[in-house]
Amino acid sequence: AQSVAQPEDQVNVAEGNPLTVKCTYSVSGNPYLFWYVQYPNRGLQFLLKYITGDNLVKGSYGFEAEFNKSQTSFHLKKPSALVSDSALYFCAVREGGYSTLTFGKGTMLLVSP
Amino acid sequence: GAVVSQHPSRVICKSGTSVKIECRSLDFQATTMFWYRQFPKQSLMLMATSNEGSKATYEQGVEKDKFLINHASLTLSTLTVTSAHPEDSSFYICSAAYKGETQYFGPGTRLLVL
Repeated sequence: AQSVAQPEDQVNVAEGNPLTVKCTYSVSGNPYLFWYVQYPNRGLQFLLKYITGDNLVKGSYGFEAEFNKSQTSFHLKKPSALVSDSALYFCAVREGGYSTLTFGKGTMLLVSP
Repeated sequence: GAVVSQHPSRVICKSGTSVKIECRSLDFQATTMFWYRQFPKQSLMLMATSNEGSKATYEQGVEKDKFLINHASLTLSTLTVTSAHPEDSSFYICSAAYKGETQYFGPGTRLLVL
């Protein structure tokens, strides 16, 4: 079975500071990893994904994530946070090929001015 | 690209009535569509997976006779909540994917059953 853990319910960061939202995963095969962002009363927006290749993946809105196989982690990062980045962030995993996505519980990011 | 729409965005209905929610992929053909349910401050719960032209596959614990899913074309899937009750009130989100690639999500439908 595949699973995702987002250990932080909420992350607080000041605008302009770097941010990290943590994610660890568990799959039996090769992981396909995703980050999505959800604004209030909206659906999920795709940010980035890791399928294969470079461990550092760059995505939308200046976000990036680093795949670490030994630590089974896929943390989301941004060098300089914006107030508009405040939202709910979901990490998701599926086993290679095609299978259903498993989502983490979500991490609320709050960026203060 | 990769835009998914849902209609309606919000619906209020009386207990016992049925509600249909549409999910459309606007600029790509979705071989697979997914329906999720999200409770307040919780993650997404997959309800069912539907492939165009075939019956939906429901997750354990999801009543297929209550949540009817139709995926009649490569750009449209519908979820019908039959005989809705207040406990069916939730945020329903669809997603669409082309040949197992990235899922793109719709904006969600807020259902309130009175």
